[in-house]
Amino acid sequence: GQQLNQSPQSMFIQEGEDVSMNCTSSSIFNTWLWYKQDPGEGPVLLIALYKAGELTSNGRLTAQFGITRKDSFLNISASIPSDVGIYFCAGLPTNNAGNMLTFGGGTRLMVKP
Amino acid sequence: EAQVTQNPRYLITVTGKKLTVTCSQNMNHEYMSWYRQDPGLGLRQIYYSMNVEVTDKGDVPEGYKVSRKEKRNFPLILESPSPNQTSLYFCASSSLFRETQYFGPGTRLLVL
Repeated sequence: GQQLNQSPQSMFIQEGEDVSMNCTSSSIFNTWLWYKQDPGEGPVLLIALYKAGELTSNGRLTAQFGITRKDSFLNISASIPSDVGIYFCAGLPTNNAGNMLTFGGGTRLMVKP
Repeated sequence: EAQVTQNPRYLITVTGKKLTVTCSQNMNHEYMSWYRQDPGLGLRQIYYSMNVEVTDKGDVPEGYKVSRKEKRNFPLILESPSPNQTSLYFCASSSLFRETQYFGPGTRLLVL
């Protein structure tokens, strides 16, 4: 199966800075999801997007479903140390069988206090 | 508390020695899945199950087996582990037609 192209692979930022990351695909997706994985834990869903152009917020996090349905973006405003972790995008392609998610490679975020 | 549990959390074994990683969920979910996570590759699906006695291959099924005899359990079996199966494994579950998959805490496997 295909993988999503997620970038950047890692980021090292100062506390208080804003963060942006994105995922792109060569295929169209029906749903985009963003997960966060804390060290030693499984991924936890942050935001789910269901329509092209949709913009959804969850606290300091904002994600958008790209108009072309081939990309998605996640922004974190005013980062804090607990934002540290790996962020994964995931998508459900249009030819999905059941709930088979395709994951990006992850963005490792490090925040310097 | 709604959760997905996995056991063991850490396992060191040797090549060829059969092992089983258990997964259990208490949310009455139809859909369960196994992923492996490797650096830079994200999560890749190994096998999934849409209900009891219904299983299918994911993206990287070679070297793995699964079974779904009960709705709540979905064990991952490595009949003859090899070093390239050293990885971090996650079990996940969801209602069949919802996208929100709940992940277990992970099992870190080292095959020597």
